[in-house]
Amino acid sequence: GENVEQHPSTLSVQEGDSAVIKCTYSDSASNYFPWYKQELGKRPQLIIDIRSNVGEKKDQRIAVTLNKTAKHFSLHITETQPEDSAVYFCAASRAHDMRFGAGTRLTVKP
Amino acid sequence: EPEVTQTPSHQVTQMGQEVILRCVPISNHLYFYWYRQILGQKVEFLVSFYNNEISEKSEIFDDQFSVERPDGSNFTLKIRSTKLEDSAMYFCASSEDAEQYFGPGTRLTVT
Repeated sequence: GENVEQHPSTLSVQEGDSAVIKCTYSDSASNYFPWYKQELGKRPQLIIDIRSNVGEKKDQRIAVTLNKTAKHFSLHITETQPEDSAVYFCAASRAHDMRFGAGTRLTVKP
Repeated sequence: EPEVTQTPSHQVTQMGQEVILRCVPISNHLYFYWYRQILGQKVEFLVSFYNNEISEKSEIFDDQFSVERPDGSNFTLKIRSTKLEDSAMYFCASSEDAEQYFGPGTRLTVT
């Protein structure tokens, strides 16, 4: 089955800096790669996603890149703000069996 | 904006008892899912459900678990004979296609 690795496990940045989180996946048939943000005690919230026919997608301060050949994808957050502090999960799916990475705890220091 | 809802928010049960967790997916969605998140760990896929049958399930989803769509709105997860290690947050999700939207979760505590 699919195995998703996520790095780093924790990331601390100064407000205004950029943050990058990286994931790799094992199943070359995976074709959908979402990113979720989870605040303490809350549900995971979809923040951006990318499909395998696209290499990059951007939504305001958030961007995701996908390298199908290398089987890795990354989340980029620019101009970070304290409210970006949360746990971020990447995931990969080929049908409807989405598998998550272990999560990255992002702390944005004011 | 429509959201996935789940009840109860917190369920406490004794080891060996059966529990049913309930979810109301977003009304026009066709795919339904259950996930589990042990405290401080990653979200783990349990099962996906489409057209009144299981479409995918993980290695976690063994004979102890079952899912059902008993009517046009509810989607349930039944855990038979609960074990201490079943203590976790259980999230329901739904999707029209690939984009999955999560409910607020049910915290299950097995004592």
